[in-house]
Amino acid sequence: DSGVTQTPKHLITATGQRVTLRCSPRSGDLSVYWYQQSLDQGLQFLIQYYNGEERAKGNILERFSAQQFPDLHSELNLSSLELGDSALYFCASSVYSGEAYEQYFGPGTRLTVT
Amino acid sequence: AQKITQTQPGMFVQEKEAVTLDCTYDTSDQSYGLFWYKQPSSGEMIFLIYQGSYDEQNATEGRYSLNFQKARKSANLVISASQLGDSAMYFCAMRESNFGNEKLTFGTGTRLTIIP
Repeated sequence: DSGVTQTPKHLITATGQRVTLRCSPRSGDLSVYWYQQSLDQGLQFLIQYYNGEERAKGNILERFSAQQFPDLHSELNLSSLELGDSALYFCASSVYSGEAYEQYFGPGTRLTVT
Repeated sequence: AQKITQTQPGMFVQEKEAVTLDCTYDTSDQSYGLFWYKQPSSGEMIFLIYQGSYDEQNATEGRYSLNFQKARKSANLVISASQLGDSAMYFCAMRESNFGNEKLTFGTGTRLTIIP
């Protein structure tokens, strides 16, 4: 158990809908990262938040957005869903120290768009 | 841009043998970090080992060691005395660090199957 929690574990929804994925980082970790794992794209970085502020953006679609709240939990919002958005979405957290560290991943949310 | 290459899509290894999973990388950064993660069939990503670009010694964590050859830009994972529970996907990743923007770039992974 990494200490990172993600809800829900599974999500099935229809095209055009909007969903929210939730992540709680490990206690004390200020950074939260979102990754998408799909069969055709592999594991891709989406976005990073540090203590409530957006720090880095990867290949995140405009239909997707995220935020980190004062209690450090984070939400990833996916809207106007398409079949190709079906994937495993991971949240990871770390303590930023500017030196060696590791990102701990949550169990993931498996999103299926039908 | 950073790139991670894992050239072995799949490997089959006899139980109790050692196995080396290949990873090469490309970066223009002087400071970077390399990670290995394990993803069992259940789907979670498990951190295994980390190597910093300035670390002079190869990282080790129990049965895992990282064979870091900076000049060749390779960071191979070595698993000693493989066990059935080692069967999983293994991902090599690189940390791109730019003023606190710490994203990971992943390779395509190697599926390791341990044969009893």
